[in-house]
Amino acid sequence: GIQVEQSPPDLILQEGANSTLRCNFSDSVNNLQWFHQNPWGQLINLFYIPSGTKQNGRLSATTVATERYSLLYISSSQTTDSGVYFCAVGDTGRRALTFGSGTRLQVQP
Amino acid sequence: SAVISQKPSRDICQRGTSLTIQCQVDSQVTMMFWYRQQPGQSLTLIATANQGSEATYESGFVIDKFPISRPNLTFSTLTVSNMSPEDSSIYLCSALRRPQEAFFGQGTRLTVV
Repeated sequence: GIQVEQSPPDLILQEGANSTLRCNFSDSVNNLQWFHQNPWGQLINLFYIPSGTKQNGRLSATTVATERYSLLYISSSQTTDSGVYFCAVGDTGRRALTFGSGTRLQVQP
Repeated sequence: SAVISQKPSRDICQRGTSLTIQCQVDSQVTMMFWYRQQPGQSLTLIATANQGSEATYESGFVIDKFPISRPNLTFSTLTVSNMSPEDSSIYLCSALRRPQEAFFGQGTRLTVV
């Protein structure tokens, strides 16, 4: 099956800093999503982005499908951004998502 | 965005017992999914639940341990049977909205003692 790798695994930032999270995948996809899991375990949809670039406030994401990677940008980070960020992909033969191992982000005041 | 209600949100259960988790979607969906997240780990697909047919289980998951029902297009249940401490995890249900964006319930945090 498709493999999803995320980097870095852990990230500690000071409030106000910017960061870039990366997601590499091993095969063609027709679905790519970024999620934020808060400390209570809830998965929050950030972006549905199988290709192209999207922005939502301080967050933006870019997927280059031909090169099999996606990037999530967090600008001017806040303590509420802390948690685990997951990249997940789906391909044409599998509607369910395959998740990466996540990036654990801690934003310190 | 889709609204997916999942309950219970958490439970503490005795080993050897079973727990049924319910998942309600606010509109009709063809496919629903159940995932497990073990402590400190990522999400792993347990099974795909289609209305009107038996669930399709992933490698390592069996129907006797995780029976699933899908009686209609808005509802599904997952039962964790004969529980052991190794079953302590967060269990999440998911559904797709057009074009194929996945949304998740708030999860069920299960602790088996």
